[in-house]
Amino acid sequence: DAGITQSPRHKVTETGTPVTLRCHQTENHRYMYWYRQDPGHGLRLIHYSYGVKDTDKGEVSDGYSVSRSKTEDFLLTLESATSSQTSVYFCAISEGTGVSTDTQYFGPGTRLTVL
Amino acid sequence: AQSVTQLGSHVSVSEGALVLLRCNYSSSVPPYLFWYVQYPNQGLQLLLKYTSAATLVKGINGFEAEFKKSETSFHLTKPSAHMSDAAEYFCAVSPSGGGADGLTFGKGTHLIIQP
Repeated sequence: DAGITQSPRHKVTETGTPVTLRCHQTENHRYMYWYRQDPGHGLRLIHYSYGVKDTDKGEVSDGYSVSRSKTEDFLLTLESATSSQTSVYFCAISEGTGVSTDTQYFGPGTRLTVL
Repeated sequence: AQSVTQLGSHVSVSEGALVLLRCNYSSSVPPYLFWYVQYPNQGLQLLLKYTSAATLVKGINGFEAEFKKSETSFHLTKPSAHMSDAAEYFCAVSPSGGGADGLTFGKGTHLIIQP
């Protein structure tokens, strides 16, 4: 398994509070991603990073911000959590070479509940 | 822009029967296509990927998929279902080989294996 950890694995918080989720990799891969998984929607890309301090928005980026100060860590922040952000969040990594040998590997996920 | 349609949110087959999970895609460029499997309370694991090298792709656990450009399809099959195949299956598309700019997922198909 790819060396990807996510913390916390479970979190319950209240509406309006800030929340930060962490993704940590030991593979030294260039690309890191945050997805959210919701029933009936599959996985949707929130933000991704193509290097330290280089990030871009995905399909559902509103209400989320990210930071990457080190190759191994990618943080997802909900500045003011809302109930619509209750979801399972997955981090993924890839070498980002853009060739056929590249693959995205997924972490174990973080289940976030916003009350 | 890319999109993926998975026909059937739930598919039920008997143990030992053929498994067929359907995936149709839309892509403005020649696509890279992926099938991932998710077991309960786990992250996603890559089953197989199409990278234009061969239209019939063999993956792990006895699964395979065939790329049909004329039908814009990438259906997943397994000749004989096993109880351990019960899981959620996701088809995904990317314009780049490793999804450096993120994967677009279908909504998923829950595979149920009847004893």
